[in-house]
Amino acid sequence: GDQVEQSPSALSLHEGTGSALRCNFTTTMRAVQWFRKNSRGSLINLFYLASGTKENGRLKSAFDSKERYSTLHIRDAQLEDSGTYFCAASGTGGYKVVFGSGTRLLVSP
Amino acid sequence: EAAVTQSPRNKVTVTGGNVTLSCRQTNSHNYMYWYRQDTGHGLRLIHYSYGAGNLQIGDVPDGYKATRTTQEDFFLLLELASPSQTSLYFCASSDAPDGYEQYFGPGTRLTVL
Repeated sequence: GDQVEQSPSALSLHEGTGSALRCNFTTTMRAVQWFRKNSRGSLINLFYLASGTKENGRLKSAFDSKERYSTLHIRDAQLEDSGTYFCAASGTGGYKVVFGSGTRLLVSP
Repeated sequence: EAAVTQSPRNKVTVTGGNVTLSCRQTNSHNYMYWYRQDTGHGLRLIHYSYGAGNLQIGDVPDGYKATRTTQEDFFLLLELASPSQTSLYFCASSDAPDGYEQYFGPGTRLTVL
């Protein structure tokens, strides 16, 4: 079954506002990555975390392996932040990286 | 410089056609992966490899073959393309499989008419 639940599936923000995306895991994960798929279809690597938090500009991500979740916070959203955001988590054994189903973010003026 | 490149970036073929998607990584990574991404889904693993000459089956392998000719090059083969294989394909590489960061190529959009 699915090991990653990503929410929300879609999100609309006005410029300058913020929100959070979340991924819940059904099993213990060793690490999580967050990506944004841009309008050209390319995957932009935002964060890779094995624990704790990371921040880059207006984005901040947290990963709690014990509590089985990760979050991506966006503040002061800009139009160019629009796109589909994915989390991907790797487990404690083997090759598998499991992706969330994505969050479609639309930032409007 | 992009460390994972894919070609072509866009491809249109007809049902029954023969398609090869190419991926090259310059990360000196052992592991390479082919995924497909469809609307409403995350990326799903088709095949992966942990070195030249090696091939492992992923989660959605039906209708796909792959070949890893060198450490750098990983190819995805669709010998009888079907409309259900219309998708966005991503290649990735990583140093190791378990808990290591994956680096993705820019994607190939394939349309099967």
